[in-house]
Formats: sequence, C-alpha cells, structure tokens
Amino acid sequence: EVQLVQSGAEVKKPGESLKISCKGSGYSFTSYWIGWVRQMPGKGLEWMGIIYPGDSDTRYSPSFQGQVTISADKSISIAYLQWSSLKASDTAMYYCVRLTDSTWGFDYWGQGTLVTVSS
Amino acid sequence: SYVLTQPPSVSVAPGQTARIPCGGNNIGSKSVHWYQQKPGQAPVLVVYDDSDRPSGIPERFSGSKSGNTATLTISRVEAGDEADYYCQVWDSSSDHLVFGGGTKLTVL
Repeated sequence: EVQLVQSGAEVKKPGESLKISCKGSGYSFTSYWIGWVRQMPGKGLEWMGIIYPGDSDTRYSPSFQGQVTISADKSISIAYLQWSSLKASDTAMYYCVRLTDSTWGFDYWGQGTLVTVSS
Repeated sequence: SYVLTQPPSVSVAPGQTARIPCGGNNIGSKSVHWYQQKPGQAPVLVVYDDSDRPSGIPERFSGSKSGNTATLTISRVEAGDEADYYCQVWDSSSDHLVFGGGTKLTVL
C-alpha cells in the first residue's frame, strides 16, 4: 500500500527556521516525483515545487522560488520542505504528494502538516 | 502563466447531476485531473487524465472535455459528495503545475 506520512504540526515564531518531512512507503521512492502543496486557511491549493528523489532534480513554482527549499534523502525515502526564516504568512497546511508517471497528477497525498507562525 | 478558472460554487439537489466546469486556454491539449476535498481532510484524486477513475472512486464521478473547458460530472449526487473540487493540469510550456481556484459543491 502506497503511503505518504508527514511529520507533525509545528508552532513557530517569525524568523525561525523549520524543516518538515514526508516519508514514502509501499512503492519505489526513487522512481516517482514528490511534490509539496500549500493550503492557506480557508483558501485553495497551491503548487510549491517538486523533486525527483532518484537524482534530486528539483523544480519550483515561481511563487515559491527562493522562499523555500525542497530536498530528499533517498536512502531513507524522505522528502523535506524547509524554510530559513518563517513569516506569519507561511501559516498554512502543507501536503506532500506523489506525482503520476507522465501527466503529473497527484495520485497520493500525505495527511498534511499544519504550520503555525505566530509571535 | 497558465490559468484554470472554476466557479466558486455549484449547488444541486440530492439525486440530481452536478457539473463542475474548469476553463483554460487550449485545455484540450492537456491532461486534466480532479480532486475532492472534504472539510478537515486531505484532497483525494477522483478523476485523472481527463476521464479515468482511480480504483475505489464510484462510477458516478466522470470527467470530460469540450473546447476550452473540462467538466467533472457527478451523477446521482449524495449528501456525502458535498466538498470542494479542484481541477489541475501540468502546463508543459512553462513546466508548471496549475490548480484551478476550486468549486464548493453544495447539496441542497
């Protein structure tokens, strides 16, 4: 069974750093792109970026380029999303997703990680 | 950048058919995927590659395209179908993934 299991909720202060994780299991982790999707409170879904764990090829949405870093450790089947300096506007639910092979839909979703940034 | 346009809301009575449109320039050349998100839950893929259903998704959910519009159709709507629905494509010209703004389906 394919599963994406994300790390738990976080409460941080503005300016702090953060790294959240997504562990894939039940499939070949290095053979599928993994992505991150943001959902701000009461709002829609936004694509942030994707990574191919097999070779760490990474692509970012223009809206998030330079704002976050996506990485992966294929030896332990985990993808990461990190911030160096959080802002209050980073408060949101973050989902990791697995991309389908050729048409890049999102066939599996993690349960979500709620990040709250507040002073 | 590529834009997908969805109406903010659609309402339908139980047992009727709901149609949720998703408009985009030259959408006929792209593969469209649809997601259902119920309150407090992660989204779920309900239609991929325009009209295919993942295993476990009822046949009541179907997808189609015509001109510059893709449509998610839900037949024999049930109260449990009340949710937000999002369309999504990969725009190969920009190499970007794009979501529509989402449509809230209300079952009257």
